Amino acid sequence: GQNIDQPTEMTATEGAIVQINCTYQTSGFNGLFWYQQHAGEAPTFLSYNVLDGLEEKGRFSSFLSRSKGYSYLLLKELQMKDSASYLCAASSASKIIFGSGTRLSIRP
Amino acid sequence: DAGITQSPRYKITETGRQVTLMCHQTWSHSYMFWYRQDLGHGLRLIYYSAAADITDKGEVPDGYVVSRSKTENFPLTLESATRSQTSVYFCASSESLLAGTGELFFGEGSRLTVL
Repeated sequence: GQNIDQPTEMTATEGAIVQINCTYQTSGFNGLFWYQQHAGEAPTFLSYNVLDGLEEKGRFSSFLSRSKGYSYLLLKELQMKDSASYLCAASSASKIIFGSGTRLSIRP
Repeated sequence: DAGITQSPRYKITETGRQVTLMCHQTWSHSYMFWYRQDLGHGLRLIYYSAAADITDKGEVPDGYVVSRSKTENFPLTLESATRSQTSVYFCASSESLLAGTGELFFGEGSRLTVL
């Protein structure tokens, strides 16, 4: 079967850095997605890691270790608008399975 | 406009009725997905399709039926709605699951309430 785990909630301070971890177990693994979802809205794409290593996109970076079944999303210079849920999802065969999401709260 | 659209956006129905949620994408993406989202459960995969006339069950397929006679459409039908199917339903599409083109595009969601 497939299993994706990420923390349920995290809190961080404006201007700081936060790392959201995700572990996964799946057969036929293709890659690992990160999505951001604000309350009442559809998820929006942040990153898709297929190869091991770190990918940086502005304030957001995502890391993948295929051998460890581990990924993280790193958010730098946190802003209040980064308060949202962050969804980790594993792509395998022809399907994409999501974890339960991490609700990130930013305090001033 | 190009994109992925869902209809209806909001629907209230009664237990036992049949409901169909429509999903249409204009990119000719091969892959299409239906998810439901409930508090505490994140996004759960109902059905997915890798191409026209190819559909497969996801994590929670019971009570749902899909079809994909055309690449651009992927309707989801609740044959006999139950209260437990009250949820927000998201349709999504992707060109491929490979690097560089694997982004999953979501519709705006359909909020279904079953009374």
